[in-house]
Amino acid sequence: AQRVTQPEKLLSVFKGAPVELKCNYSYSGSPELFWYVQYSRQRLQLLLRHISRESIKGFTADLNKGETSFHLKKPFAQEEDSAMYYCALRESSGDKLTFGTGTRLAVRP
Amino acid sequence: KAGVTQTPRYLIKTRGQQVTLSCSPISGHRSVSWYQQTPGQGLQFLFEYFSETQRNKGNFPGRFSGRQFSNSRSEMNVSTLELGDSALYLCASNPGGIGEKLFFGSGTQLSVL
Repeated sequence: AQRVTQPEKLLSVFKGAPVELKCNYSYSGSPELFWYVQYSRQRLQLLLRHISRESIKGFTADLNKGETSFHLKKPFAQEEDSAMYYCALRESSGDKLTFGTGTRLAVRP
Repeated sequence: KAGVTQTPRYLIKTRGQQVTLSCSPISGHRSVSWYQQTPGQGLQFLFEYFSETQRNKGNFPGRFSGRQFSNSRSEMNVSTLELGDSALYLCASNPGGIGEKLFFGSGTQLSVL
């Protein structure tokens, strides 16, 4: 069965420091990976998806099929990046998303 | 465009009762998915509907059911409530194509006493 693992419940960094939120997955097929974010008192929203290969708000994520990872990175964290981040996997057969348990990013001034 | 709307925002029920939650997708969106969010299990997929047909189903007991109407609005029903059903139930919509971006509602917080 597919599984998404986010090993860190909380990641605390200082403003301006680099950030890496880890995500590993297990899936036998060809997955599609996403990062969703939930800011305080806001709805869960899509941050980025691997097929787009885009940078959103300075964040990037590269799918590494060899390591089955999809880590989220940003070179210089900002206070407004503080939020809950969820990695998610979509199976090739449908629109069901399997989410990781989430990592809370806290950026300190 | 209005976002995904879920009603009610909060619900308190007792064990054994049943509950119906409602979700109105973004106008023009034909796919509606439901997720259960709990502190222990995180976000878990319940089911997805597209054009009034269930297209995908998660690993939840038969007490959890849903449906979608011709206007794409969706309801989910939980019968014979258990304490463990206490959770935030999130609805998400997208235009309908597989793999499209999901737009989430604010959720319905269900407490079972």
